[in-house]
Amino acid sequence: EAQVTQNPRYLITVTGKKLTVTCSQNMNHEYMSWYRQDPGLGLRQIYYSMNVEVTDKGDVPEGYKVSRKEKRNFPLILESPSPNQTSLYFCASGTNYNSPLHFGNGTRLTVT
Amino acid sequence: AQRVTQPEKLLSVFKGAPVELKCNYSYSGSPELFWYVQYSRQRLQLLLRHISRESIKGFTADLNKGETSFHLKKPFAQEEDSAMYYCALSGVSGNQFYFGTGTSLTVIP
Repeated sequence: EAQVTQNPRYLITVTGKKLTVTCSQNMNHEYMSWYRQDPGLGLRQIYYSMNVEVTDKGDVPEGYKVSRKEKRNFPLILESPSPNQTSLYFCASGTNYNSPLHFGNGTRLTVT
Repeated sequence: AQRVTQPEKLLSVFKGAPVELKCNYSYSGSPELFWYVQYSRQRLQLLLRHISRESIKGFTADLNKGETSFHLKKPFAQEEDSAMYYCALSGVSGNQFYFGTGTSLTVIP
């Protein structure tokens, strides 16, 4: 089944403790991206990647890192999480940046 | 700069009534526009895109370049249409995908 898989679904952590949210797709998509969803603000793009080893900042990249060492994986790294990063995060992939996106199930992160 | 505007955060209609979810965008070229839907506790999924000109689940959306709008319409709302709807735009700046703030649609039985 074609899908985008994110893990974990729920994560509670403390300020400053590094964490990684994984994202994997099995559709051989070149384009992958991360979004955060906050009430009243919709989805805001954090980072995106056009292909392996090619990543770019979205609108809200501060406090986040990504890597794209393989085509299928696009992990989101929070080196030192802060409470303002408490949010619902979605990973998405697509054939290219103009094609429809396939979304993961989301990761609800709480930073205390 | 806000590239996609969805002016209504909340919208309630009665079952069987027509529904229109508004979306305006800011871009002078030829954009790629999409509507995504998120049902309760589910992932976002594509509802339709403007270039395919399809009707999905009874929804249609017409791109109006003059008014820079891409409103989503359905002539007769159903209870299962209750969801969050996002308008999205791509191909504007670099390789980014922009989403609006979403409209939560409630269809009242």
